Amino acid sequence: EAGVVQSPRYKIIEKKQPVAFWCNPISGHNTLYWYRQNLGQGPELLIRYENEEAVDDSQLPKDRFSAERLKGVDSTLKIQPAELGDSAVYLCASSLAPGTTYTEAFFGQGTRLTVV
Amino acid sequence: SQKIEQNSEALNIQEGKTATLTCNYTNYSPAYLQWYRQDPGRGPVFLLLIRENEKEKRKERLKVTFDTTLKQSLFHITASQPADSATYLCALPLGGYNKLIFGAGTRLAVHP
Repeated sequence: EAGVVQSPRYKIIEKKQPVAFWCNPISGHNTLYWYRQNLGQGPELLIRYENEEAVDDSQLPKDRFSAERLKGVDSTLKIQPAELGDSAVYLCASSLAPGTTYTEAFFGQGTRLTVV
Repeated sequence: SQKIEQNSEALNIQEGKTATLTCNYTNYSPAYLQWYRQDPGRGPVFLLLIRENEKEKRKERLKVTFDTTLKQSLFHITASQPADSATYLCALPLGGYNKLIFGAGTRLAVHP
């Protein structure tokens, strides 16, 4: 079975331009996460979905970041406009819903964003 | 505020020795704690989960302990190999059963 799939793998854009990342989670996983990881740091949670609902977006810079998860499956994360400080790796992860035994998160390979 | 702390300095050990990594947390009582491995250019990969009522968990050469009084987890790799070289992250559910928050990770280098 395919794991979490993210695209694109790499993206280079000029500042003030928009950018979007796409994530396809593991089939049957209700919980979807977007994390941002800076070099030498751990993943920082941006937003968490339970099915279609964003249940935790307190860390998402809402002035420029937006996310959606249509039909509770695929998700996109958008930045508009991008700033130099947004350069990082954006990771998508999915897991089974709360209350199950297996709560580990499965990560995609990430999208490395470079803003120039 | 709630914090997760892992040794920021890289851990260098000789092949065959036991590597021990530390994860400390403050101002929280998590229901469980997880450890992940991350290789350069890849997403983290789940290794072990230990629940608050478990003192120790083992999987092959890996062992995790969880001391809820000290608010600390130790992650051990016995008979370490160069292939174990990676960054190891601990993660806790903060503020929600499925809200996973990660530490900064500790880089482990195993030398032949």
